[in-house]
Amino acid sequence: KAGVTQTPRYLIKTRGQQVTLSCSPISGHRSVSWYQQTPGQGLQFLFEYFSETQRNKGNFPGRFSGRQFSNSRSEMNVSTLELGDSALYLCASSPYAQVTNYGYTFGSGTRLTVV
Amino acid sequence: AQSVTQPDIHITVSEGASLELRCNYSYGATPYLFWYVQSPGQGLQLLLKYFSGDTLVQGIKGFEAEFKRSQSSFNLRKPSVHWSDAAEYFCAVGADTGNQFYFGTGTSLTVIP
Repeated sequence: KAGVTQTPRYLIKTRGQQVTLSCSPISGHRSVSWYQQTPGQGLQFLFEYFSETQRNKGNFPGRFSGRQFSNSRSEMNVSTLELGDSALYLCASSPYAQVTNYGYTFGSGTRLTVV
Repeated sequence: AQSVTQPDIHITVSEGASLELRCNYSYGATPYLFWYVQSPGQGLQLLLKYFSGDTLVQGIKGFEAEFKRSQSSFNLRKPSVHWSDAAEYFCAVGADTGNQFYFGTGTSLTVIP
């Protein structure tokens, strides 16, 4: 069974550009969440989707957005990149609507560097 | 609001020694508690979870954790550490909305041969 797949693994972008990250959850998993991981802030929740609906959003500016497709694949977009957006972006999936009952399976992440 | 504190930023142990990583949480009701491990350059792997019942839970790789409501703690333990256990360990509590987690800042474990 394939795990959570995130593409690309590494990305270098320039300030002001925009970026789209992709996440393919485990087959059958309908909940997809995104986290930003940085050395200073740790793991911070970005958003969570279930059956194409955003159910929850973290405290991030509107430059961060996401969506989920009918096949449960998800993308997140960051516009007008800032140096502080450099981070490891982690996607996680769960087969359950109540994800906190069971936990996630995480992908390996996309390392975004903004220069 | 829920929160998690991992008081130890970094711990060094010798291979074969016992290990305890501390986690304290803030939550009003019975929490859903988790431990994850992250190897360098990788995502997080679920070690174990607690949400009810027996307060001592067993996980993968020989890890266990004990839920202590009176101390608001959920410490992770392993009786004998292996060099491959060197990694970053994160404690997390599930939000009452049911669809997100609050993570601690992590404890980095170094294992000395």
